[in-house]
Amino acid sequence: EAGVVQSPRYKIIEKKQPVAFWCNPISGHNTLYWYLQNLGQGPELLIRYENEEAVDDSQLPKDRFSAERLKGVDSTLKIQPAELGDSAVYLCASSHRDSGLNEQFFGPGTRLTVL
Amino acid sequence: ILNVEQSPQSLHVQEGDSTNFTCSFPSSNFYALHWYRWETAKSPEALFVMTLNGDEKKKGRISATLNTKEGYSYLYIKGSQPEDSATYLCALTDSWGKLQFGAGTQVVVTP
Repeated sequence: EAGVVQSPRYKIIEKKQPVAFWCNPISGHNTLYWYLQNLGQGPELLIRYENEEAVDDSQLPKDRFSAERLKGVDSTLKIQPAELGDSAVYLCASSHRDSGLNEQFFGPGTRLTVL
Repeated sequence: ILNVEQSPQSLHVQEGDSTNFTCSFPSSNFYALHWYRWETAKSPEALFVMTLNGDEKKKGRISATLNTKEGYSYLYIKGSQPEDSATYLCALTDSWGKLQFGAGTQVVVTP
């Protein structure tokens, strides 16, 4: 079974530039998550999708961050414009609706560096 | 927000030695606890999901215990090997299914 796929794996941009990350979850997983992991901290949830609906985006900085999951499968996370403080690892995860204990499967992440 | 704390932040272990580290959490309204292993440049990998007080789980040389009444979980690595070098994350699940992660314990095993 293929795991969660993310691209790109690494991205270096200058501040004020836009950037986008892509995630393909495990086939059949209806729930998709985007996490932000700053150095020395644990991952923090940015947004959770149930199929194509964003059910928890309370931690997403909506002035510069946006996300979409138009067909309930792949998802993109965008930052525009990027700031120096956005340098971090962006993780995508997915889970199946029948996972009562919310077992999430993670992708390898995108490491973003903003110069 | 659930306050999940892990200690130590990092530790160095000699190959062959055993080690353990802690995840602490509020004991009230416990639902489930997850342990993940995250190797550099790889995906975080689920190790254990634990729900019951007194739970003990084992996977190879790695094991974990859970005390929900006092709010802690220990992760043990027996006979550490260089391939055990990783960051070990614990996370609590609330009743809504949201994961709250600790900051992790970075383990470095030196030959």
